[in-house]
Amino acid sequence: ELKVEQNPLFLSMQEGKNYTIYCNYSTTSDRLYWYRQDPGKSLESLFVLLSNGAVKQEGRLMASLDTKARLSTLHITAAVHDLSATYFCAVDGQGGSEKLVFGKGTKLTVNP
Amino acid sequence: DTEVTQTPKHLVMGMTNKKSLKCEQHMGHRAMYWYKQKAKKPPELMFVYSYEKLSINESVPSRFSPECPNSSLLNLHLHALQPEDSALYLCASSPGPYYNEQFFGPGTRLTVL
Repeated sequence: ELKVEQNPLFLSMQEGKNYTIYCNYSTTSDRLYWYRQDPGKSLESLFVLLSNGAVKQEGRLMASLDTKARLSTLHITAAVHDLSATYFCAVDGQGGSEKLVFGKGTKLTVNP
Repeated sequence: DTEVTQTPKHLVMGMTNKKSLKCEQHMGHRAMYWYKQKAKKPPELMFVYSYEKLSINESVPSRFSPECPNSSLLNLHLHALQPEDSALYLCASSPGPYYNEQFFGPGTRLTVL
């Protein structure tokens, strides 16, 4: 059974600081997705990582994928309050499944 | 049009009511999904439709009944729900069933009294 683990689950950081969220998964997958969810809102697609070594950046967020280590990272640079949200990583289900398997999410709070 | 729409935004229903949630996309996507999300949890997959056919049912109770009238529309019919069914119901679509970047609608906040 495919498992996706995120850590930390809760992250409180100060504005201007850097931090990394980690997403580990248990079986081979070449595709990984990062989503953002604001309180009471839906999920917004942030990044799609389609191959080993993929790196994507948008503003203060940068995501990378190492399929050999089964690890993706979401790096936050010089955090600002607007980045406060819950971030989910998700991996394609096994065997060409149509399913996404989500991590539990990381709740990020950026304090002034 | 690059969005998924859902109606209603909020729904309050009694345990004996029958109601429906609606989802629409005009991106030409061929896969559509229903998720249930409880507070502080990741979305839980309920159903997947691929090319208008039900391809995945995650052992969802029969009080939830999905329907895909055409490639742009997805409904979720609700009947005799329980209070524990109160949650955010999210619809999503993707270009195809095996290309899983899913685009989510705004959700319907369901409260069962």
